[in-house]
Amino acid sequence: LAKTTQPISMDSYEGQEVNITCSHNNIATNDYITWYQQFPSQGPRFIIQGYKTKVTNEVASLFIPADRKSSTLSLPRVSLSDTAVYYCLVGDAYGQNFVFGPGTRLSVLP
Amino acid sequence: DGGITQSPKYLFRKEGQNVTLSCEQNLNHDAMYWYRQDPGQGLRLIYYSQIVNDFQKGDIAEGYSVSREKKESFPLTVTSAQKNPTAFYLCASSLNVAEAFFGQGTRLTVV
Repeated sequence: LAKTTQPISMDSYEGQEVNITCSHNNIATNDYITWYQQFPSQGPRFIIQGYKTKVTNEVASLFIPADRKSSTLSLPRVSLSDTAVYYCLVGDAYGQNFVFGPGTRLSVLP
Repeated sequence: DGGITQSPKYLFRKEGQNVTLSCEQNLNHDAMYWYRQDPGQGLRLIYYSQIVNDFQKGDIAEGYSVSREKKESFPLTVTSAQKNPTAFYLCASSLNVAEAFFGQGTRLTVV
């Protein structure tokens, strides 16, 4: 399984765009990149998944460069309720093994 | 409505006791997972099961046991061999790697 590296923490202000980058240098050809959000004392919640280029949904965008060795989760116009831990996972569609790193603790300030 | 349910939400265990955490899903997912989370830390994989009657150890399986007799159920037993069981336990299920659904967790405390 590809190992991921993310910043431990980030601060932002309400209304700003937040970009969280994840490094996954040994990503395999079959691997997808998935991001989850976790609030305190709750289970993680799926945000977005991608394989290459750009994926966008109603919550976030995911940018993946051509070499796929990193990815960036973009949260537009964050609010206080976006304060949470964000996890980047890399895994193939067949292994079905989710390995979580320590994640990025995002604090949104007023 | 469909989902994944963990019970109980809070559980207290005496030293030397075994306790079983329940995890049930009605999403018709083949794969199920158990994670442990310590304060301020990420999730660590305890056990996972990709199909009924089969399961695999994760990174921290020592002191834990599981069973998968039904597709819907994946109970976790924390045995007395687990020396530091106080933690937040999360169960998840998935159809494929695209999206895992998590329960609300069980907070286990040793008293």
